[in-house]
Amino acid sequence: DTAVSQTPKYLVTQMGNDKSIKCEQNLGHDTMYWYKQDSKKFLKIMFSYNNKELIINETVPNRFSPKSPDKAHLNLHINSLELGDSAVYFCASSRRQGDEKLFFGSGTQLSVL
Amino acid sequence: GDSVTQMEGPVTLSEEAFLTINCTYTATGYPSLFWYVQYPGEGLQLLLKATKADDKGSNKGFEATYRKETTSFHLEKGSVQVSDSAVYFCALLNTGGFKTIFGAGTRLFVKA
Repeated sequence: DTAVSQTPKYLVTQMGNDKSIKCEQNLGHDTMYWYKQDSKKFLKIMFSYNNKELIINETVPNRFSPKSPDKAHLNLHINSLELGDSAVYFCASSRRQGDEKLFFGSGTQLSVL
Repeated sequence: GDSVTQMEGPVTLSEEAFLTINCTYTATGYPSLFWYVQYPGEGLQLLLKATKADDKGSNKGFEATYRKETTSFHLEKGSVQVSDSAVYFCALLNTGGFKTIFGAGTRLFVKA
């Protein structure tokens, strides 16, 4: 009964490859997010979608492309992976836009070799 | 822009010691303030929150008071346990904003 689930949990790949991370929430929330956590644990928002519409797009390389097929899913596709993309990527959701409580998935650890 | 600054870790304490993790913020308007906790291998979980000045958030023995005059939201616990070992994140959500901004996280180690 995981509320926010993301797959895969670990992803090891070579530079230049293209990979996707999937996220699903079963909470009925309207808003979903992608956060990136670097090796020093610093957490930074990348994207936010509200009811399938993009509402936050931070300064992220355009190699990163989020897709929300419905409000329960927010996937992250990364083209031409670089060493600096290695991080833990967290999906999160909230009941609505601007809601105070975020619910996080358990993270996807991406290692680019 | 809005930002959150919290003390660098790691913080290492013995069981039953008193814990303080400092957090200060910069924001326009009247933000809501939060502490999230991340246990090893897991995502962040909301620990406590405060939505206006002088509010005190509390949960699981942890407390933090929203101090507008000092723009601070320090996390405290009177007696830590080994199970409290985790990374603690201070965060804010500004009124009218749609994104929660996190501090850099403070790792806490509690020794038996």
